[in-house]
Amino acid sequence: SSELTQDPAVSVALGQTVRITCQGDSLRSYYASWYQQKPGQAPVLVMFGKNKWPSGIPDRFSGSSSGNTAALTITGAQAEDEADYYCHSRDSSGDHLVFGGGTKLTVL
Amino acid sequence: QVQLVQSGAEVKKPGASVKVSCKASGYTFIGYYMHWVRQAPGQGLEWMGWINPNSGATNYAQKFQGRVTMTRDTSISTTYMELSRLRSDDTAVYYCAREEEEVGDTYDIWGQGTMVTVSS
Repeated sequence: SSELTQDPAVSVALGQTVRITCQGDSLRSYYASWYQQKPGQAPVLVMFGKNKWPSGIPDRFSGSSSGNTAALTITGAQAEDEADYYCHSRDSSGDHLVFGGGTKLTVL
Repeated sequence: QVQLVQSGAEVKKPGASVKVSCKASGYTFIGYYMHWVRQAPGQGLEWMGWINPNSGATNYAQKFQGRVTMTRDTSISTTYMELSRLRSDDTAVYYCAREEEEVGDTYDIWGQGTMVTVSS
């Protein structure tokens, strides 16, 4: 099991807001980054650091963190946002890195 | 443009080794750490380790210690990941990913992935 815990699946109605969470003790000390992965494709960075977007990522994606929980929020979800989302950060030792188990987002 | 191009798919027998390459272009190769991540079929992402292309220093996930070796050839801007004593559960897509320089621990560029199949 991963040191970063994500809900396996989340669904959202088209145009509505969804929050995908990631829990882990290391998140009290380190930022999480978030990756979107569509079937058959390499992951794509969508959020990192303290709410930073890579270029080309729409601003409907936002990030937040509180205590041991990091969250990726999609405001006004679109059909193309349907994908697997992974959080990523340091492990509890701080020496290595770890991914969350992933959340499958379905846009209804 | 900035890109990472990986070597092609491999089929190996249990107990063998595999070496996957990742050629960087469009940026200063020695300026960015390179990480390796794998994904078994239908499963999540798994961090394997990193290499500093400048110094050659490495840091491996505990799970792969003793079986994985990451190296680089600065003359051709290429990093390598070699996994030995392969088992069937090593069947996965292996990705190289460049560590973003501003914040760290973040991958802004990924290779296309290399499928490694371990089967007798």
